[in-house]
Amino acid sequence: EAQVTQNPRYLITVTGKKLTVTCSQNMNHEYMSWYRQDPGLGLRQIYYSMNVEVTDKGDVPEGYKVSRKEKRNFPLILESPSPNQTSLYFCASSPLGAGTGELFFGEGSRLTVL
Amino acid sequence: GDSVTQMEGPVTLSEEAFLTINCTYTATGYPSLFWYVQYPGEGLQLLLKATKADDKGSNKGFEATYRKETTSFHLEKGSVQVSDSAVYFCALWNFGNEKLTFGTGTRLTIIP
Repeated sequence: EAQVTQNPRYLITVTGKKLTVTCSQNMNHEYMSWYRQDPGLGLRQIYYSMNVEVTDKGDVPEGYKVSRKEKRNFPLILESPSPNQTSLYFCASSPLGAGTGELFFGEGSRLTVL
Repeated sequence: GDSVTQMEGPVTLSEEAFLTINCTYTATGYPSLFWYVQYPGEGLQLLLKATKADDKGSNKGFEATYRKETTSFHLEKGSVQVSDSAVYFCALWNFGNEKLTFGTGTRLTIIP
């Protein structure tokens, strides 16, 4: 089954404790992206990747890092989480980039930073 | 920059009612427009899209027409069902960007 898989789905952590949210897709897509969803703000892009070893900042990259060492994986790293990073995070992929508009989303990872 | 404005929710309707969710956009050039749906506990799914002016996107009984003169892409359905309860997001893509710009989402609840 074609899918985007995120882990963990739920996480409560404390300020400053490094964490990684993994994202993996099995559709051989070149393009992958991370969004955060906050009430009243919709979804905002954090980072995206056009292909292996190619990443770029989105609208809200501060406090986050990403890497793209393999085509299928695009982990989101919070080096020193803060409470303002409490949010619902979505990973997405696409075969042809954002221009097709057809992004395939994971089920989301709800992160709480205390 | 580009932006998308959706009608404020939540929206509550009775089953078989007519649905309209308003969406307007601000963008340079000729963006592509999309509606995504998020069912409870799930990620977003593409519902429909339109890539040029006057195009009509449709899927699962939902429709939206790309109106460049009014910069709008309103979502409509003639007879909603309980299973349509979800959050609906209007979004746009513009040339040169590698992201979708989303509206804030509209939560729809259908009562039997």
